Amino acid sequence: AQSVAQPEDQVNVAEGNPLTVKCTYSVSGNPYLFWYVQYPNRGLQFLLKYITGDNLVKGSYGFEAEFNKSQTSFHLKKPSALVSDSALYFCAVRDPIGGNNRLAFGKGNQVVVIP
Amino acid sequence: GAVVSQHPSWVICKSGTSVKIECRSLDFQATTMFWYRQFPKQSLMLMATSNEGSKATYEQGVEKDKFLINHASLTLSTLTVTSAHPEDSSFYICSARDPRGGHNQPQHFGDGTRLSIL
Repeated sequence: AQSVAQPEDQVNVAEGNPLTVKCTYSVSGNPYLFWYVQYPNRGLQFLLKYITGDNLVKGSYGFEAEFNKSQTSFHLKKPSALVSDSALYFCAVRDPIGGNNRLAFGKGNQVVVIP
Repeated sequence: GAVVSQHPSWVICKSGTSVKIECRSLDFQATTMFWYRQFPKQSLMLMATSNEGSKATYEQGVEKDKFLINHASLTLSTLTVTSAHPEDSSFYICSARDPRGGHNQPQHFGDGTRLSIL
């Protein structure tokens, strides 16, 4: 079964500094990887995905993520964080072969951008 | 882009009441929708997979008689929390994947329903 680990509970970063949110995954085949963001009392908004191709994926709001197969990681990055980036971030993986369309989510990371 | 609408956003009701939550795909047809439950500051827990025209598939530990799911059309799935009690208070979120574009499309989420049982 597929699974995702987000090792940190909270990430604090000063506004304007680079932001990194870590994610590692486990899946039997080639993974489909996703990042979502959640604001308070809202559903999840899709940020970006990796399916195949270039390891560096660019998404919404200036976010990008790098797929690293050898390290089974898919860390989310933003070169310069904004206060409005403060939210809960979820990494998710889907096994396209054996995962029956289900997404496995990490526990989430609270990002706090300090003005 | 693909949009999923969830209604209502907030529900406050007395213990013993049954509550229905609707999830609609607005610009695509979804043969499969997913229902999640989220506790404060925690991840999403998949409750069940809703299948259009057939029975829902429930995750282990989720009571199917407590959480009734109906997926009668390609754009609407409903979750009914029957005889709700305070321990059912939670944030419920639905999602659906737009089948157009193939299997690599992301799931799109509704805005969630905050359920508070008094």
